[in-house]
Amino acid sequence: AQRVTQPEKLLSVFKGAPVELKCNYSYSGSPELFWYVQYSRQRLQLLLRHISRESIKGFTADLNKGETSFHLKKPFAQEEDSAMYYCALALLSGAGSYQLTFGKGTKLSVIP
Amino acid sequence: DAGVTQSPTHLIKTRGQQVTLRCSPISGHKSVSWYQQVLGQGPQFIFQYYEKEERGRGNFPDRFSARQFPNYSSELNVNALLLGDSALYLCASTLTRASGNTIYFGEGSWLTVV
Repeated sequence: AQRVTQPEKLLSVFKGAPVELKCNYSYSGSPELFWYVQYSRQRLQLLLRHISRESIKGFTADLNKGETSFHLKKPFAQEEDSAMYYCALALLSGAGSYQLTFGKGTKLSVIP
Repeated sequence: DAGVTQSPTHLIKTRGQQVTLRCSPISGHKSVSWYQQVLGQGPQFIFQYYEKEERGRGNFPDRFSARQFPNYSSELNVNALLLGDSALYLCASTLTRASGNTIYFGEGSWLTVV
């Protein structure tokens, strides 16, 4: 069965310091991975998807199939980055089902 | 451009009661999914509907049911509520493209069972 692990519940960094939010997955198929972010009192929103290989708000994430990881990184943290971050793995079944398996999330706190 | 809309935003129910949550997907999206998010956990998949047919079901008891209407809106029903059903219920709609699928979430319905 697929699984997503985010080992850190809380990560505190100082403003301007580098950030790395860890995500490991277990999945027998070809993974499709996402990072979602939830700012205080806002809806869960898509931050990154691995197939896009894009940088959003300075964040990047690289899929490492050998280490089964999809860590989220940003070189210089900003106060507005403080939020809850969820790593998610998509599962596509033959019946046309498309669902996400989420990790438990990491709360990022950027200290001014 | 309206996002995924859900109602009600908050509700309180008593154990044993039944609840219906409603969701309207983003215009043009034909797939709706439901997720349960318990405090301190990531969202957990409950159901997916596409073109009014159930396409996927998570590990939830039969007390949970859902349906999708011709206009692609959806309802989630939970019968015989338990205290453990207290959670944020998220609706999501899926944009399907050749480059891949993207799931967009609503703000959720906070259910408290007392």
